Parts: sequence; structure tokens; C-alpha cells
Amino acid sequence: DIQMTQSPSTLSASVGDRVTITCRASQSLDNWLAWYQQKPGRAPKVLIYKGSSLESGVPSRFSGSGSGTEFTLTISSLQSDDFATYYCQQYRSQSYTFGQGTKLEIK
Amino acid sequence: QVQLQESGPGLVKPSETLSLTCTVSGDSVNSGSYHWSWIRQPPGKGLEWIGYIIYPGNANYNPSLKSRVTISVDTSKSQFSLKLTSVTTADTAVYYCASYFVGGGGRGYWGQGTLVTVSS
Repeated sequence: DIQMTQSPSTLSASVGDRVTITCRASQSLDNWLAWYQQKPGRAPKVLIYKGSSLESGVPSRFSGSGSGTEFTLTISSLQSDDFATYYCQQYRSQSYTFGQGTKLEIK
Repeated sequence: QVQLQESGPGLVKPSETLSLTCTVSGDSVNSGSYHWSWIRQPPGKGLEWIGYIIYPGNANYNPSLKSRVTISVDTSKSQFSLKLTSVTTADTAVYYCASYFVGGGGRGYWGQGTLVTVSS
């Protein structure tokens, strides 16, 4: 199994801040990683796929980078709508795995 | 655009079998373009991938659940289904169905989710 370690688990930030969330894999994923945003009571929504491709309709303040075993999700300038929980998920192996999640809170 | 809707009992007794169905519209379940998937989320916790099936029947499951899980497709009803046997309270969760594009690296569609509680 590929294990995913996401950090931090909680992040406090203010509107306008630049924030970064990291996801590390126990083995190489090439670029087979996606980032999701989830708000309470809602299904997750894909933001980034294949490591760095921005899903259609997602604001350009979201970006993904990395390959191999280390990936980052960056929000360049936080908006109030961005306070949510973020998850990474790997698609390299036949057994997909999520990271533990990062809750982005208002400071 | 694919739309997905979960359905099934909201309450299951311990040791029994949890059965959920996902009804698909907007594309065909016999399309080889999607991984027809199930994901769950216990209350207040993170997401757990359960497994997927690619038509006509190639399935992959989370190793931690593999002995209890079956995912199948019913093309006549445009549905795919989840069966989880011998449930315990630890299986209480919101269950989501999703369709991931094959080779899409995470792109796809999700249902709204359905809460299943395991309790006597």
C-alpha cells in the first residue's frame, strides 16, 4: 500500500494570506495525485489533478506542484470561501489512498 | 456531465450487510471511461477509499476492507452497488459514490453522500 502523509493537520490563516499544504507519499506517484476541497456537509470537490493541472472552474489562486513523493497545494491569496478541509489522494497504485486532511481555519 | 445518487438503508444492525446503490445518469455504466467508486467518511473524520469497478467487472478494493467488500455493476438499471458484510459501529459513515475518469488523475463526479448508521 502507498501511505499518504499530509501536513499540517490544522492551519490557521487570514484572508489574503498565502498558504501551502504538503502531501508526502511512501513511494513515487509520478504525478498521479489530486487535491480536493471539502466543506461541511458537502461532497469533496476536485481542485487539482495529475499533480498540477487546475480543474475547470477552479480559481487560479489554487495551484499544485510536485512529483514523485512530495506534493504541495498552494493558495496564493486566501479568500473567505477557501476556509474548508483539504485532502490529497494518490492514483498511482490500484488501491487509491487519501491523506488525513488539513483543516484550514480562520485566524 | 455524469450525475450520481446514492440510495439505501440509513440504519443497519451490527453483523448484518450494508447495501447501497448508486444510480448513474448522463453516461452509461458500461462505459469503460470511468472507475465507478465508493468512498466513505466517518462522522468528524477523514475520507477513506473503499474501492472501484471498471465495467465489465474489474474491481479493486482497499486492502483493509477487501474481505468484506463487493462492488458490482447493473447495466439494466444504470447502477453500481456496494455490499459490506459483517458491519460494526466502526462502519458508521457518510458513503459517497463517485465516477473517476480512467487516467484522469482524480477528475470525475461525486454523489452527495448518504449517512449509514450501524446500530442495534
